[in-house]
Amino acid sequence: DGGITQSPKYLFRKEGQNVTLSCEQNLNHDAMYWYRQDPGQGLRLIYYSQIVNDFQKGDIAEGYSVSREKKESFPLTVTSAQKNPTAFYLCASNLRPSSGANVLTFGAGSRLTVL
Amino acid sequence: GEDVEQSLFLSVREGDSSVINCTYTDSSSTYLYWYKQEPGAGLQLLTYIFSNMDMKQDQRLTVLLNKKDKHLSLRIADTQTGDSAIYFCAEIDNTDKLIFGTGTRLQVFP
Repeated sequence: DGGITQSPKYLFRKEGQNVTLSCEQNLNHDAMYWYRQDPGQGLRLIYYSQIVNDFQKGDIAEGYSVSREKKESFPLTVTSAQKNPTAFYLCASNLRPSSGANVLTFGAGSRLTVL
Repeated sequence: GEDVEQSLFLSVREGDSSVINCTYTDSSSTYLYWYKQEPGAGLQLLTYIFSNMDMKQDQRLTVLLNKKDKHLSLRIADTQTGDSAIYFCAEIDNTDKLIFGTGTRLQVFP
């Protein structure tokens, strides 16, 4: 079955450590996205990539980094510079350019807790 | 910039209808979306509506779009306990990215 796999599901980190969240898709989608979800704030876009070896900052990119070396993979690194990293992180993908409704497919999410 | 607003909570009795409302700012959005998020999970697309439509119905779901007021609503008929979730409204911006609302937490009680 095609889909998006995020790992790990739960992650605990000490302050000052970098962590990397994995996102893999087998949908042959061109574009991939990382969102952060906090209670009562909806989804905020961190980074997105429309093509391999290219990515752009979203609304809250500070303290995060990404890479897009393969079409299927879009890992997110939460660095020690991110001041409030505890959150639920969602990866998504879609076909680009979109013809029609531009529907995003989401992974199941990764919950990061900083101790 | 674009903004999408929703109320945070809605509580309904099982069997009643639920209406979740959303307002958006980008009048050029070609599509508007409703996504559902169950606890601890990702978002699933429920339905979407093209901007030249006023209404779309899909089984128990009815979407109403008022472009003049930039208002979108989702009606769930015969609400069940399995409908308890967070519902997100989203619009598409001029760079083809989705802008999500804060989400409405729907609680269904017996």
